[in-house]
Amino acid sequence: AQTVTQSQPEMSVQEAETVTLSCTYDTSESNYYLFWYKQPPSRQMILVIRQEAYKQQNATENRFSVNFQKAAKSFSLKISDSQLGDTAMYFCAFTGNQFYFGTGTSLTVIP
Amino acid sequence: GAVVSQHPSRVICKSGTSVKIECRSLDFQATTMFWYRQFPKQSLMLMATSNEGSKATYEQGVEKDKFLINHASLTLSTLTVTSAHPEDSSFYICSAESRQGASGELFFGEGSRLTVL
Repeated sequence: AQTVTQSQPEMSVQEAETVTLSCTYDTSESNYYLFWYKQPPSRQMILVIRQEAYKQQNATENRFSVNFQKAAKSFSLKISDSQLGDTAMYFCAFTGNQFYFGTGTSLTVIP
Repeated sequence: GAVVSQHPSRVICKSGTSVKIECRSLDFQATTMFWYRQFPKQSLMLMATSNEGSKATYEQGVEKDKFLINHASLTLSTLTVTSAHPEDSSFYICSAESRQGASGELFFGEGSRLTVL
């Protein structure tokens, strides 16, 4: 079975600080993609960052970066210099033959 | 990036009526679209996979006759909630997979909040 696990239902971080959101997954596939999506209060799902499983280099998008550990099936998201606009639900997702979402982490950035 | 438009964003209806939600891919062709339901503070629950020109594939526990899905063209999929009841009140989100670049990324509509009185 393919699953995505986010073990942190809620997190908070002080503005300008750094926070890391955890995600683990389970799959027997060798080719797949991993994603972090953000869902702010508007409920619109927004892609934050994407990682191809065949790439060893960790993806980076401005203040967002991932720590992809393929052997451990871990895919954590690091948000640097947190901003108030980062307050949202964050979903880790995996796609092989099908798209799987984690249960989400609610992140609050405290001013 | 690719744009998916979902309409209406909010709808209120009386119990027993039917409601149609549209999902359009505006700048790409989507052979496959997905419909999700999301309860407050929970993850997205896949309801069905919609393939252009064929019947939708429903997830276990999703009533086919309650949630009618039609994918008549490469840019439009519709979800019709038939004989809606208050327990159908929820946030419904569609998404589409773009084959451009084969990124595997899903593009999401803005979501539709359904309230059944």
